[in-house]
Amino acid sequence: GENVEQHPSTLSVQEGDSAVIKCTYSDSASNYFPWYKQELGKRPQLIIDIRSNVGEKKDQRIAVTLNKTAKHFSLHITETQPEDSAVYFCAAPTSGSARQLTFGSGTQLTVLP
Amino acid sequence: DAGVIQSPRHEVTEMGQEVTLRCKPISGHNSLFWYRQTMMRGLELLIYFNNNVPIDDSGMPEDRFSAKMPNASFSTLKIQPSEPRDSAVYFCASSWLAGDGEQFFGPGTRLTVL
Repeated sequence: GENVEQHPSTLSVQEGDSAVIKCTYSDSASNYFPWYKQELGKRPQLIIDIRSNVGEKKDQRIAVTLNKTAKHFSLHITETQPEDSAVYFCAAPTSGSARQLTFGSGTQLTVLP
Repeated sequence: DAGVIQSPRHEVTEMGQEVTLRCKPISGHNSLFWYRQTMMRGLELLIYFNNNVPIDDSGMPEDRFSAKMPNASFSTLKIQPSEPRDSAVYFCASSWLAGDGEQFFGPGTRLTVL
């Protein structure tokens, strides 16, 4: 099955700085890599995803990069704001017919005003 | 669409009691997932249904846990008997594309077993 490792587990940045969260995966057949944001007491929600046919995707202040050779992908948040404070999860699909997502362990991002 | 609906939102019960959590997926979605979230273990997949059929239940921790999906618009997760270590937030999520597309999570059920 898929093994997803996520680093760091906690990250504190000053408002306006950039934040980077990294994930590695084990299954070279994986082709879909989403990132979810979970605010305190709320449900996880998709913020951006990337498929293996592209190396980078941007959506305003958020970007995801993918390196299939090295089997890692990263979330980049620029010009961080206090409302970016949350837990961020990466995920990758398992191989085979039972397609499902394996989630990373999460990164608690704190943006300091 | 109202999104994924879960009930109850909070459940407090005593050890040994039966607990039933309910989920209504987004209409038209063909995949449904039950997750458990704790500080220690993070977000764990318990079971995954596709077209109402259980595909992977390897995450179900013990025989005390069971899940059903009698039709495309309803699923239950049952714990019998419950134990304090079952205390967690249980999320239901649904999707068009199983592991290859966005999963829409419900608001979760916070379960406390005393």
